[in-house]
Amino acid sequence: DTQMTQSPSSVSASVGDRVTITCRASQEIRSWLVWYQQKPGKAPKVLIYSASSLQSGVPSRFSGSGSGTTFTLTISSLQPEDFATYYCQQANSFPLTFGQGTRLDIK
Amino acid sequence: QVHLVESGGGVVQPGRSLRLSCAASGFIFSSYAMHWVRQAPGKGLEWVGVISDDGSKKYYGDSVRGRFTISRDNSKNTVYLQMNSLRSEDTAVFYCARDHDGSGALMDVWGKGTTVAVSS
Repeated sequence: DTQMTQSPSSVSASVGDRVTITCRASQEIRSWLVWYQQKPGKAPKVLIYSASSLQSGVPSRFSGSGSGTTFTLTISSLQPEDFATYYCQQANSFPLTFGQGTRLDIK
Repeated sequence: QVHLVESGGGVVQPGRSLRLSCAASGFIFSSYAMHWVRQAPGKGLEWVGVISDDGSKKYYGDSVRGRFTISRDNSKNTVYLQMNSLRSEDTAVFYCARDHDGSGALMDVWGKGTTVAVSS
């Protein structure tokens, strides 16, 4: 199975800050990487798919990059509604696996 | 409007069975693969399994393989998750999600989830 490791596990930031979250796969997954945002009590929401493609309706301050084993999610200028938990997920092979999550808190 | 609505959750004793349902509306259900994903209280997301658009292919996560079975009825726009031999560690919110090709590359619509609690 492909293990996904996110860093950091948590981060505190202020509105307007630039934030980067990293996701590493235990083996090569090409560009089969998805980023989700989840708020408490809600279902996950797709932000980025295929490592760098912005899902329809998602603000352009979110961007993704990377291929192979190392990927990043960047939020260019944090907005109040961005404070949430973020997950990466590999779609290269079954079983699909998620990172452990990165909690983004208000500083 | 595209909707997925899970149901069937509840409290069940260890070793017993439970069947969850996920009703779809607002899209051509038979054109999409469907996944189940769960989240234990205070924990991260765990993929449970997927069924192809026509029901011919199914894949499962390691922790549920052999105990859980996914099926679908395209005439009822519904996907099911049959859970047998339930354990306390199966306690979670269960989500269904649609996928364009079954690969998991884009699970773009999710339900709100249904809660399963396994306890004696």
